[in-house]
Amino acid sequence: AQSVTQLGSHVSVSEGALVLLRCNYSSSVPPYLFWYVQYPNQGLQLLLKYTSAATLVKGINGFEAEFKKSETSFHLTKPSAHMSDAAEYFCAVSGPSGTYKYIFGTGTRLKVLA
Amino acid sequence: NAGVTQTPKFRVLKTGQSMTLLCAQDMNHEYMYWYRQDPGMGLRLIHYSVGEGTTAKGEVPDGYNVSRLKKQNFLLGLESAAPSQTSVYFCASSYHNRGGVSNQPQHFGDGTRLSIL
Repeated sequence: AQSVTQLGSHVSVSEGALVLLRCNYSSSVPPYLFWYVQYPNQGLQLLLKYTSAATLVKGINGFEAEFKKSETSFHLTKPSAHMSDAAEYFCAVSGPSGTYKYIFGTGTRLKVLA
Repeated sequence: NAGVTQTPKFRVLKTGQSMTLLCAQDMNHEYMYWYRQDPGMGLRLIHYSVGEGTTAKGEVPDGYNVSRLKKQNFLLGLESAAPSQTSVYFCASSYHNRGGVSNQPQHFGDGTRLSIL
């Protein structure tokens, strides 16, 4: 069965430091993977998605993620954190074939320190 | 382009009252979903629809009903509200997934914050 694990419910980084948000997945078939960002009092917005075209995926706002099949990981990174990156981030994996569902992680809240 | 619009944005109910949450999308998406978001639990799927006139149960369907009479609208109903249904509710929609695999990103509304007293 498909599942997603996000390590660290809260992550703090200094402004200008590297951002690394971890996501590990479990899937019985080649997965489709997504990262979403949620700002306070808003819905989720797509940051980037992996659909098997390239293992390094670039998204909006300077974020990127690398698909590593051997590690079953899809970690999100950004070289230099900005105050505006403070938000909650969700990793999601496509559900089992034919179910039309998505499986979401429990989220990681990113805090950026001045 | 409005995208996904949820109505209302906030609501307070008393235990036992009923209400309907409305979700409308203007992107001609086939698929629509209702989730609830609770602290530390991520998003949990309540019900979803893969087309007009069709609905299916998700992970936490008890206490909720849905209808999709028009392609652009997806309604979530609470027949008899309970305090355990206090949550933030999100509607999402997506394009048709080829081969039945969810390979299209979802588009989310801004949520409905519901409190049950």
